[in-house]
Amino acid sequence: QVQLVQSGAEVKKPGSSVNVSCKASGGTFNSYTVTWVRQAPGQGLEWMGRITPLFGTADFAQKFQGRVTITAGESTRIAYMELSSLRSDDTAVYYCATGDIAAAGHYYYMDVWGKGTMVTVSS
Amino acid sequence: DIQMTQSPSSLSASVGDRVTITCRASQSISRYLNWYQQRPGKAPKLLIYAASSLQSGVPSRFSGSGSGTDFTLTISSLQPEDFGTYFCQETYDTPPYSFGQGTKLEIK
Repeated sequence: QVQLVQSGAEVKKPGSSVNVSCKASGGTFNSYTVTWVRQAPGQGLEWMGRITPLFGTADFAQKFQGRVTITAGESTRIAYMELSSLRSDDTAVYYCATGDIAAAGHYYYMDVWGKGTMVTVSS
Repeated sequence: DIQMTQSPSSLSASVGDRVTITCRASQSISRYLNWYQQRPGKAPKLLIYAASSLQSGVPSRFSGSGSGTDFTLTISSLQPEDFGTYFCQETYDTPPYSFGQGTKLEIK
């Protein structure tokens, strides 16, 4: 089963952008969805968006439309999430997670998670 | 957007207790409901998908039920390693596939 390795912690200035990577170890994303979820300190989980490399499709929470870009590259072994126009309330742990399209059927879930990337936005 | 409301927000129970957590959706979501467990400082872990399907490797003391708007996660006999926060998530139709606010479970 694929394992996910995320890039390291980031400290960013307000108004800048952050790019978080998620590398598949032991496989590729070809038959998976790749979802990004974030969690502000002491808060709950927030779904941001997902990409399905096999179909070349991506969708996002309306809240992040225009600010978030999700891509999968390098023979679909690495996925990226870029968040722009950062604000202090974007400070959070950002998780990537996958779900096997075939196993899930017409359901959607995330059964493999990365360890998370802490992004701190501070002036 | 669909709103997911969990109850209780927190609970404390003893080893061996039967524990129930509920999740209510603001509109019918059929059986498009997942449950996750998150231990402090760790990533979430999938427990249940499609309302009642047990994810591979998850102990059978965990079970899920419900459809439409009302769902339940049950731990039949609480174990010490079951502490953490539990989240439900709807995956019905279109994004943003909201999570509940979480239920923090402590072991007495």
